[in-house]
Amino acid sequence: DSGVTQTPKHLITATGQRVTLRCSPRSGDLSVYWYQQSLDQGLQFLIQYYNGEERAKGNILERFSAQQFPDLHSELNLSSLELGDSALYFCASSAQGSYGTDTQYFGPGTRLTVL
Amino acid sequence: ILNVEQSPQSLHVQEGDSTNFTCSFPSSNFYALHWYRWETAKSPEALFVMTLNGDEKKKGRISATLNTKEGYSYLYIKGSQPEDSATYLCAFIDSGNTPLVFGKGTRLSVIA
Repeated sequence: DSGVTQTPKHLITATGQRVTLRCSPRSGDLSVYWYQQSLDQGLQFLIQYYNGEERAKGNILERFSAQQFPDLHSELNLSSLELGDSALYFCASSAQGSYGTDTQYFGPGTRLTVL
Repeated sequence: ILNVEQSPQSLHVQEGDSTNFTCSFPSSNFYALHWYRWETAKSPEALFVMTLNGDEKKKGRISATLNTKEGYSYLYIKGSQPEDSATYLCAFIDSGNTPLVFGKGTRLSVIA
């Protein structure tokens, strides 16, 4: 158990809908990262937040947004969902904001299915 | 788009065998390389973060080396055990502001 929690574990929804995925980092960690793992692709980095501020951005679609709250938990919002958004979404956390060199601890993931 | 290649794609070894696999990345710029172990139905678990050319890291029977000049890292497992069966991922970053790019992994199966 990494200490990172994600809810919900599974989510099934329809095209065009909007969902929110939630992540609580390990106690004391300031950075949160979001990743997408689809069937035909490797892990894709989406976005990083450090202490409430956006720190780094990857291949995140405009329909997706994230934020980190004062208590350091983070939410990933996915809107106008398409079939291709079906994937496993991981959250990871790290102690500091050193994006490239911090050890990242992964949560169990949220499996999103868009029908 | 950065390309991170891992080889082999999959590997079957007998219990007790030692094994190694490769992560190749562009050698023009280097910031850090991460290794992760990912068991089926679990989440990726960090093994090593490597930042310096010539780095060698060790965790129990698993070790890794890094050559930034030629753009590769090796992961070694000594005396493989069935519980080592997992996918081993590497992830490369070429600067402090660019996305971490993951390879597709090497799937290791250790047969008892």
